[in-house]
Amino acid sequence: DTEVTQTPKHLVMGMTNKKSLKCEQHMGHRAMYWYKQKAKKPPELMFVYSYEKLSINESVPSRFSPECPNSSLLNLHLHALQPEDSALYLCASSQDWGNSAGELFFGEGSRLTVL
Amino acid sequence: DAKTTQPPSMDCAEGRAANLPCNHSTISGNEYVYWYRQIHSQGPQYIIHGLKNNETNEMASLIITEDRKSSTLILPHATLRDTAVYYCIVRALQGTSYDKVIFGPGTSLSVIP
Repeated sequence: DTEVTQTPKHLVMGMTNKKSLKCEQHMGHRAMYWYKQKAKKPPELMFVYSYEKLSINESVPSRFSPECPNSSLLNLHLHALQPEDSALYLCASSQDWGNSAGELFFGEGSRLTVL
Repeated sequence: DAKTTQPPSMDCAEGRAANLPCNHSTISGNEYVYWYRQIHSQGPQYIIHGLKNNETNEMASLIITEDRKSSTLILPHATLRDTAVYYCIVRALQGTSYDKVIFGPGTSLSVIP
């Protein structure tokens, strides 16, 4: 199984809603990532988790709250978002982080629209 | 601050080799060159990576210059399904503060029938 599964594929939410994006992998990978991608732009790194601990936060606003309940799951909790937060949110995983040249495996993304 | 520069777009005739260049003149000794691609509306897909030797796999070949300041990704027989944005990335082997996979603007490759 070399898949990273993201749910939901599409999400529409209002600015006062609370929602979550979910990411799952069963490859035994110890590092997981969230990226944000706006239309016609490259993916931008948001967070890196290594061994279930937050290792990198790229100065992401607190309305985005990541959570790694276990080594296979990564969530992104969303609250009080703005319309400019509408984007494709990509999850990725890799075998290790910081000490390996392992490649990243990406999911298909969750397309978020904030009204 | 960008670590790599790539042409914004390229065309390639179907069946021909696609040669995608990447400049990484400030690459450090412990940094690998990685290539990913992103087909429209999909997540990025790993293609190949290398340190200083040329590499080949079932998808592509990677040619790295001797001074490691540039590289070329070669798709030997491009098909329409290879139309995508191709990203060249440098990534450190070790060091917790280094390992950020940062995407630059990439090259949008169009394979033309």
